Amino acid sequence: GAGVSQSPSNKVTEKGKDVELRCDPISGHTALYWYRQSLGQGLEFLIYFQGNSAPDKSGLPSDRFSAERTGGSVSTLTIQRTQQEDSAVYLCASSLRNGRTSGTSSYNEQFFGPGTRLTVL
Amino acid sequence: SQQGEEDPQALSIQEGENATMNCSYKTSINNLQWYRQNSGRGLVHLILIRSNEREKHSGRLRVTLDTSKKSSSLLITASRAADTASYFCAPFSGGGADGLTFGKGTHLIIQP
Repeated sequence: GAGVSQSPSNKVTEKGKDVELRCDPISGHTALYWYRQSLGQGLEFLIYFQGNSAPDKSGLPSDRFSAERTGGSVSTLTIQRTQQEDSAVYLCASSLRNGRTSGTSSYNEQFFGPGTRLTVL
Repeated sequence: SQQGEEDPQALSIQEGENATMNCSYKTSINNLQWYRQNSGRGLVHLILIRSNEREKHSGRLRVTLDTSKKSSSLLITASRAADTASYFCAPFSGGGADGLTFGKGTHLIIQP
């Protein structure tokens, strides 16, 4: 597709269950990002991938959160033993390359997917 | 990455008027980006301004950057109903974390 896609669009789960969220970045984009947006809050950075490796996991809120990316494309964000405070919209974004700049190079804009709305009951 | 703080939190103006929203940040940046989020189209990149630039234009958008004051402003001229959305700034420092951090945004409502 032309843009970043995410699935499912909505997920309702019971407290304690595991959930897996999927992100398909734009073809050719090497950098992939996960964010979380809680109700009434700004976007919170979770994790960043460059290719298949995740050099920056600083935003993951707890060890219940993990993410992987295979083949330099699709990424999955897994939340184990979900809690009610995990309820949020989870957004994925991709960019042509990572945010490092050098010389006159510019940081490439991030293209966001529509998000997955997670509700933990 | 650092978080930008948008001001005001909410803004309501009449269609055709200009809308100005501001962003402040704390540490030096490499560039600063503005994004828009509405229910129809999700989060969309609007414009990027580099630290060595003071002003940038894109259509009806005008962004300024004052690195001495660590602030940026986004001006939307001749506003339209379709401009109703939340606007976020994302200052990027270029070191450490690569992800962007957004604040709570400015919620702009354009009254017909």
